[in-house]
Amino acid sequence: SYVLTQPPSVSVAPGQTARITCGGNNIGSKSVHWYQQKPGQAPVLVVYDDSDRPSGIPERFSGSNSGNTATLTISRVEAGDEADYYCQVWDSSSDHYVVFGGGTKLTVL
Amino acid sequence: QVQLVQSGAEVKKPGASVKVSCKASGYTFTSYGISWVRQAPGQGLEWMGWISAYNGNTNYAQKLQGRVTMTTDTSTSTAYMELRSLRSDDTAVYYCARVVTGLDWYFDLWGRGTLVTVSS
Repeated sequence: SYVLTQPPSVSVAPGQTARITCGGNNIGSKSVHWYQQKPGQAPVLVVYDDSDRPSGIPERFSGSNSGNTATLTISRVEAGDEADYYCQVWDSSSDHYVVFGGGTKLTVL
Repeated sequence: QVQLVQSGAEVKKPGASVKVSCKASGYTFTSYGISWVRQAPGQGLEWMGWISAYNGNTNYAQKLQGRVTMTTDTSTSTAYMELRSLRSDDTAVYYCARVVTGLDWYFDLWGRGTLVTVSS
């Protein structure tokens, strides 16, 4: 089945830019979606279809996808961005139609 | 407003079954599918399956085939997930999520989660 690989943790100072990667075989041929999950809360969609933002999500959140790596970029990081972030794809050839990455803990220093 | 409201926490013994509900409001229930996603303590997200609220078609993750059943009641805009033969490793928070389907699937609305604890 299809595997998505994320770094377990990323740390960044407030005001800087955080980049969270999601690796997968030829992931550039798929649409990648990103979720933010704060402790004790349900996930929230922050980027869909590689780079689109749902209404209400700040422009600071952006995404890209090419080759074997998709990236979620958070500009001008704030303390409130500290959370777990998960990438997700749909893979109809897999026994799991929906595949999540293992998640990345973003720490704001 | 647009939301998914889930049923309350459950404690079950090994071998028992659990049925979790997810009531939708604020949108046309039959226009979207519902997926169930679970999260074991301290772990990541695991997709369990999907049901079409339009026609009841389902697709389950292979590892749960035979133990999980997803249903909907369109008269009350409610989705249900039943998991049988519970084991300790089924202890998790279970989320329902609205599925946007187009070229592929993603989840744009989530319930707050239901904690299911399996313990003797």
